[in-house]
Amino acid sequence: DTGVSQNPRHKITKRGQNVTFRCDPISEHNRLYWYRQTLGQGPEFLTYFQNEAQLEKSRLLSDRFSAERPKGSFSTLEIQRTEQGDSAMYLCASSPGTGLGGELFFGEGSRLTVL
Amino acid sequence: KNEVEQSPQNLTAQEGEFITINCSYSVGISALHWLQQHPGGGIVSLFMLSSGKKKHGRLIATINIQEKHSSLHITASHPRDSAVYICAVPLWGGGADGLTFGKGTHLIIQP
Repeated sequence: DTGVSQNPRHKITKRGQNVTFRCDPISEHNRLYWYRQTLGQGPEFLTYFQNEAQLEKSRLLSDRFSAERPKGSFSTLEIQRTEQGDSAMYLCASSPGTGLGGELFFGEGSRLTVL
Repeated sequence: KNEVEQSPQNLTAQEGEFITINCSYSVGISALHWLQQHPGGGIVSLFMLSSGKKKHGRLIATINIQEKHSSLHITASHPRDSAVYICAVPLWGGGADGLTFGKGTHLIIQP
């Protein structure tokens, strides 16, 4: 297993366009998390899945953001009508989901630049 | 919601020095994470701990649950340890929660 994979690594788009990011977690991990990181700041929690169920969403996740994890495998994060403030690194992490949450494994991130 | 404070924000030291990074949080937790991020790079998990102390090579992490405080120590520091070190705890204290992160400690080890 090669770890958590995210695509694309970098996306440049014009304001108002829609973008979609994909995350492939480590195969046996049932928990999957999305975070957002802006320059010089620590990551901020967006949402997480236990298998295919989306269990928690941050208030940061406006109605322009939607995330799915069909069949509990890969996940997608879609941003509609992008704004310049959406420019950030979008990080995906997975964990085996033991009682204490388990160690987190992060992908390399997808960097979004909105012009 | 948990709040995380890390100190110092920036730390520059000479190779070989003993390094300590501190983390305090506001809500009781099931476990605390220490993470490492290199410039332009991904995040790597260093430790997940719920009590006491853990050691991995030259890295040591301790936690005091009663005082809601954790420290990350680096012994015999080396320039390759230069990175941002981030403390993270569950948003609401529980094990399955998403994490809330400190702002990170930017460590530079000079040769």
